[in-house]
Amino acid sequence: EVHLVESGGGLVQPGGSLRLSCGASGLTFNTNWMAWVRQAPGKGLEWVANIKNDGSDTYYVDSVKGRFTISRDNAKNLLFLQMDSLRADDTAVYYCATETWLQFFYWGQGTLVTVSS
Amino acid sequence: QSALTQPASVSGSPGQSITISCTGASSDIGGYNYVSWYQQHPGKAPKLIIFDVTKRPSGVSNRFSGSKSGNTASLTISGLQAEDEADYYCSSFTTTYTLGVFGGGTKLTVL
Repeated sequence: EVHLVESGGGLVQPGGSLRLSCGASGLTFNTNWMAWVRQAPGKGLEWVANIKNDGSDTYYVDSVKGRFTISRDNAKNLLFLQMDSLRADDTAVYYCATETWLQFFYWGQGTLVTVSS
Repeated sequence: QSALTQPASVSGSPGQSITISCTGASSDIGGYNYVSWYQQHPGKAPKLIIFDVTKRPSGVSNRFSGSKSGNTASLTISGLQAEDEADYYCSSFTTTYTLGVFGGGTKLTVL
């Protein structure tokens, strides 16, 4: 059974940084593209970023380009999202997911990021 | 503003069928057969229910079906049950992915 577990969320001040992690089990991690998807309180889903299975290619939604960095450690089955210059509108539950052609097959339970002073 | 357009809400009675539309463009739905649908209950993570326009993952009820015509994809739920009450999101592969890949979501109410 595929299991994805996010961690690293919390309260951070505007302009601050946070690093999210996602641990994966039950799948061959290094063969899967991975993605981060977020959901602001009471709002819809928003794709944030994705990364190729070997980490050689990354893609971002325009609103986070230059501020967020997606990366992975295939030796440890871990996915990361480094978030810098955080803004209030980055407040959301962040989900990691396996992804193929921007179709999201398995999801974690999410971790809440709150950007507030 | 979302990349794909869905109705904000739909409703139906138990046993009935409903259809949720998802309208895009030739750069997404119209150009690729990588349309997916997700069900999300309150406080829960989304769950994939349709991928590749028409395919169901293992374990998903055959009451859920997907289709596509031109730039519009559709999700049909037949034999509505109370447990189907949830938010539903569409997504499509797109060449303009930096602008977003999900629809705005549709709230399904089972009357």
